[in-house]
Parts: sequence; structure tokens; C-alpha cells
Amino acid sequence: GENVEQHPSTLSVQEGDSAVIKCTYSDSASNYFPWYKQELGKRPQLIIDIRSNVGEKKDQRIAVTLNKTAKHFSLHITETQPEDSAVYFCAATYSGGYQKVTFGTGTKLQVIP
Amino acid sequence: DVKVTQSSRYLVKRTGEKVFLECVQDMDHENMFWYRQDPGLGLRLIYFSYDVKMKEKGDIPEGYSVSREKKERFSLILESASTNQTSMYLCASSFSRDHQYFGPGTRLLVL
Repeated sequence: GENVEQHPSTLSVQEGDSAVIKCTYSDSASNYFPWYKQELGKRPQLIIDIRSNVGEKKDQRIAVTLNKTAKHFSLHITETQPEDSAVYFCAATYSGGYQKVTFGTGTKLQVIP
Repeated sequence: DVKVTQSSRYLVKRTGEKVFLECVQDMDHENMFWYRQDPGLGLRLIYFSYDVKMKEKGDIPEGYSVSREKKERFSLILESASTNQTSMYLCASSFSRDHQYFGPGTRLLVL
């Protein structure tokens, strides 16, 4: 089955700096890669996703890149703000048929004002 | 606006009790999922369902069962609760080819 590794497990950055979280996956059939943000005491929510037919996607201060050959994808947050502090999860799935999703173990991001 | 609700936010049960956790979604999603979330272990899939009365084991199904009698409702059952099942339980739903919408979670404590 699919295996998703996520690094780092914790990340502290100064407000205004950039943050990068990296994930690798094992199943070359995976073709959909969502990222979720979970604030303290709240439910995970989608912040950005990418499908295997594109290499990069941006939404304001966040971007995701995908390297299918190397089987890794990354989340980039620029100009970090204190409200970016949360746990971020990457995930990989085959978007067709049964949608079993495999999550990474999460990255706790702390943005220091 | 998609809504996924869970029957309880907090539950305290005793070892050996049968525990029911319910999840309801209002978006006609065909897929529904149960995860448990533990510190440092991320979100681990217990069971998922891709249609009414259909279910598939996830990565950690031992000690759990599920029921999906109606499309909007997916129940997680702990047949005989044990202390190692103390955890946060998250339900989610989705269309195929789309991301998941999560419920608020149920924090279960088994004494």
C-alpha cells in the first residue's frame, strides 16, 4: 500500500520568513495530493491540492510543487504570519475508484511574531 | 456549505463497554471515512466506505467495526472498548476525485 513520509515534524520560523514542508510517497499510482491545515482544537481543512498532471500550483502565499519522478511534493508558505501556526498534513491518494487516502504524520508549524 | 457532524465531542467510557460513534454528512458524498488521531502518529485510517452497505478496512481496523445503512450516516463501533482506544476520532466524507471534509472530532477516553 501507499506510504507517505513527511518532514520536518516541527518547524519554527520568524514571522515574514518562508516555511517549507516536504512529503514523499511510495505508490506511483497516486495522482492526487491534498494538504490540510489543522489549527489547535479544530478539524483539518483543505488549504491546497495538486493533481499529477501539473507540477506546481499557487494560491496567494501558499504553493505546492510535485515531482512525480522523485515521488515527492512540497508545501511552501511565504511571508508567514502568526495565524499560519498550525499542524499541516500532506496526503496522497489515487483519485479514481475507491479513494483510500494516506496521510503524512504532520508538521507542527510555529510562526514566531 | 458542507457539513459533517459527529454525535459527541467528548465521551468517557469504561473498559469493555460497547461504544458507538456516529457521523452524518449532508452533501450526498459517496465516500466516508473514520480516522483516529494520536500525537506524533498523524491521521490513521480505521475504515472507509465508498457506498451504502460497503466498507473497506483501513490501516488499523482491529477492535473496530463500522456500519453504513444510509448514504449520509457512517457509524464506528468499538465492540469492547479498551484503554488503548483512548484517542481523538475524526470522521470525513468526500466525493471521489475530491478532497475530504472532516467532522469536528470525538475525543474518547476509556477508563
